[in-house]
Amino acid sequence: DAGVIQSPRHEVTEMGQEVTLRCKPISGHNSLFWYRQTMMRGLELLIYFNNNVPIDDSGMPEDRFSAKMPNASFSTLKIQPSEPRDSAVYFCASSASWFQFFGPGTRLTVL
Amino acid sequence: RKEVEQDPGPFNVPEGATVAFNCTYSNSASQSFFWYRQDCRKEPKLLMSVYSSGNEDGRFTAQLNRASQYISLLIRDSKLSDSATYLCVVNWAAGNKLTFGGGTRVLVKP
Repeated sequence: DAGVIQSPRHEVTEMGQEVTLRCKPISGHNSLFWYRQTMMRGLELLIYFNNNVPIDDSGMPEDRFSAKMPNASFSTLKIQPSEPRDSAVYFCASSASWFQFFGPGTRLTVL
Repeated sequence: RKEVEQDPGPFNVPEGATVAFNCTYSNSASQSFFWYRQDCRKEPKLLMSVYSSGNEDGRFTAQLNRASQYISLLIRDSKLSDSATYLCVVNWAAGNKLTFGGGTRVLVKP
């Protein structure tokens, strides 16, 4: 069975550029979560969706961050413009119940 | 105060020994509890749920103490492959939003 799929796995960009991270959840899962992980702050929930609808975006750091889920099998997290402090690993997770299954993450470096 | 707190470690454990560590949570309305494991440069993976009566999965035992608001994880007969960061995870909101602790790093050495 395919797990959560994320792309790209690694992204290096320059400050000010737009970055788009992509996620395909596990088929049949109705909840999708975007997390950010850094050494300083640990794993932080940015936003989550239930049945493609954003439920809680209180973790989104600022207006430079936006997330969409146009259908049950695809979601994007966009950062525009990117800044060096956005450098982190971004995880997408999906669930059908209490248990969340994580994708391999996107390691983002903003120079 | 953080919602979920863990000792970051590292806990240096001789192979074959037993190690135990706790996690405290601040919200008494917390409903569900889990331990996740995260290997270096990998994604977190569910290790086990934590039930009120305590539960065991092979060499791993999890306990919940609601009165003192902490959960624990005990690893018996530690293996080198148990070296990882163990994340304490709590749910208290409606829906399935989870809150993660900062993790406890365990290093098992020969």
